Amino acid sequence: DTGVSQDPRHKITKRGQNVTFRCDPISEHNRLYWYRQTLGQGPEFLTYFQNEAQLEKSRLLSDRFSAERPKGSFSTLEIQRTEQGDSAMYLCASSRTSGRRDTQYFGPGTRLTVL
Amino acid sequence: TQLLEQSPQFLSIQEGENLTVYCNSSSVFSSLQWYRQEPGEGPVLLVTVVTGGEVKKLKRLTFQFGDARKDSSLHITAAQPGDTGLYLCAGAANTGNQFYFGTGTSLTVIP
Repeated sequence: DTGVSQDPRHKITKRGQNVTFRCDPISEHNRLYWYRQTLGQGPEFLTYFQNEAQLEKSRLLSDRFSAERPKGSFSTLEIQRTEQGDSAMYLCASSRTSGRRDTQYFGPGTRLTVL
Repeated sequence: TQLLEQSPQFLSIQEGENLTVYCNSSSVFSSLQWYRQEPGEGPVLLVTVVTGGEVKKLKRLTFQFGDARKDSSLHITAAQPGDTGLYLCAGAANTGNQFYFGTGTSLTVIP
């Protein structure tokens, strides 16, 4: 069990550029979540996959954001035409459906800075 | 919309003191989790509580889930500098599809 991994750990980009982040969940976990966290705040839910199906999207996820999980394993989060307000830590978590004790395990996050 | 409110938001105490962090909501959750997060890292799970009134102990940390499954508390006994970090509670909606995070409590334990 190698845990949840995210790549890259840090990304600096200029406003207007596109960026893509990758998340590799724990191998037997069928649920995958993306969150955004700004400094001093708790994570905010962005979207959630069960296997390859994207089941829920937050209204925070504007048209510039898209997430995929093509084979039900790793996931990518793409932000198009980045804005300075997109600067944040992007966290990925995975879980294995186990009823009420469904527990998320987080990756280390990708810190995005938009200049 | 922040469904879970944590208090206090900031806490600075001396090593050896006790403290309690509260996580409150008007919503009912099927389960509640507590995490600790260090700067630049993802949250690390401490505990999951499921049953109303449930109490779990993890060394010097005691977690309690409210009887109505709307609130929770985290009590730390004899705090140590290694306890410093951002403590987050997260509630699972009854649908089980979303987790809602609290506002966070930033704890600093001074040696």
